[in-house]
Amino acid sequence: SQQGEEDPQALSIQEGENATMNCSYKTSINNLQWYRQNSGRGLVHLILIRSNEREKHSGRLRVTLDTSKKSSSLLITASRAADTASYFCATDGGNNRLAFGKGNQVVVIP
Amino acid sequence: EPEVTQTPSHQVTQMGQEVILRCVPISNHLYFYWYRQILGQKVEFLVSFYNNEISEKSEIFDDQFSVERPDGSNFTLKIRSTKLEDSAMYFCATNRDRGLYEQYFGPGTRLTVT
Repeated sequence: SQQGEEDPQALSIQEGENATMNCSYKTSINNLQWYRQNSGRGLVHLILIRSNEREKHSGRLRVTLDTSKKSSSLLITASRAADTASYFCATDGGNNRLAFGKGNQVVVIP
Repeated sequence: EPEVTQTPSHQVTQMGQEVILRCVPISNHLYFYWYRQILGQKVEFLVSFYNNEISEKSEIFDDQFSVERPDGSNFTLKIRSTKLEDSAMYFCATNRDRGLYEQYFGPGTRLTVT
């Protein structure tokens, strides 16, 4: 089965710095999505990148996808305290069944 | 912006009891999903639902689980006889179409089985 897997890490950065997190997966995908989850809350969709795309931007977010390496990265530029959250990647093989990774905890220190 | 809503936000039940978790999808969305997240673990897919029937289900979604859309608006997840290990956050998600559309998640229902 498909599986999104982030490099499990807790990232602590200063406000204004960039935060980068990675995700790897095992099988072919239709798209890959990144979600944010604040403590005890729901999942907020951040960005979707299709399997035929290599890079995508949305505001301060930049996502890359390397299907040959089965990996993706999420970059948050100029981080803010409000970016403190857990970030998950999720892969979709085309059947809309999202396979989530374990998440990265990001703490932005004001 | 339209959003997915879920009720209740927190449900406490005794082992063996039946629970029904409710979700109101975004109005023009056609595909509905349930996921769960046991504390400290990954979000796991349970089931997808389209055109009033299950499209796909995971190995977690056994006979004690069922889904339906009884009135054309609410989308429900029923757990027939709860177990301690059913304690988790349950998320409803919806999207407009298959394939290349993001899923919109509700805020979740925290189910605690005692």
